[in-house]
Amino acid sequence: DAGVIQSPRHEVTEMGQEVTLRCKPISGHDYLFWYRQTMMRGLELLIYFNNNVPIDDSGMPEDRFSAKMPNASFSTLKIQPSEPRDSAVYFCASSFQGAANYGYTFGSGTRLTVV
Amino acid sequence: GNSVTQMEGPVTLSEEAFLTINCTYTATGYPSLFWYVQYPGEGLQLLLKATKADDKGSNKGFEATYRKETTSFHLEKGSVQVSDSAVYFCALMFSGGYNKLIFGAGTRLAVHP
Repeated sequence: DAGVIQSPRHEVTEMGQEVTLRCKPISGHDYLFWYRQTMMRGLELLIYFNNNVPIDDSGMPEDRFSAKMPNASFSTLKIQPSEPRDSAVYFCASSFQGAANYGYTFGSGTRLTVV
Repeated sequence: GNSVTQMEGPVTLSEEAFLTINCTYTATGYPSLFWYVQYPGEGLQLLLKATKADDKGSNKGFEATYRKETTSFHLEKGSVQVSDSAVYFCALMFSGGYNKLIFGAGTRLAVHP
């Protein structure tokens, strides 16, 4: 398996623009997580899905952030409009029921810079 | 609530030194415990895990023992290398429920030649 695949690896955008980050989880995994990592706040869980259904979005910072999982093999995190304070590395991770024995598999992340 | 506390970094060591990164947890029950490592510019990778009390997880020369009495899962390595320079995250998860990993704040390790 190719692991969790995120795209793009790097994104530079201007303030006010819409940004869409993409994630393909490992086939067969039924949990998907979106994290944000910054120097100031560390690793933050934004939202997670189980069987494509959002379970907990309490970590989503504002209404400007939205996430979807239209099918088991694809998820998006959208920021509209983007602001400089959204600059961070965004990670996607996937797992399956029984992951207490295996943990999560993380993607390589998308480094977002909003100028 | 459930939480993980790690020693603050950065931890700076010379090559071949002994490493300990402390991790303690607060949990209502007996979770599985994990150490993840994040190398510069990369995502988090599972380093080792332990699923029950007294289990010892090990990988790449790193070890950690699940201590229920002290609610701890300290990471150790006998002789660090420059290539071990990374950020290390301790985490816990309960089986069942929604598989939510709870991470510590991370500890940065810098190893110098």
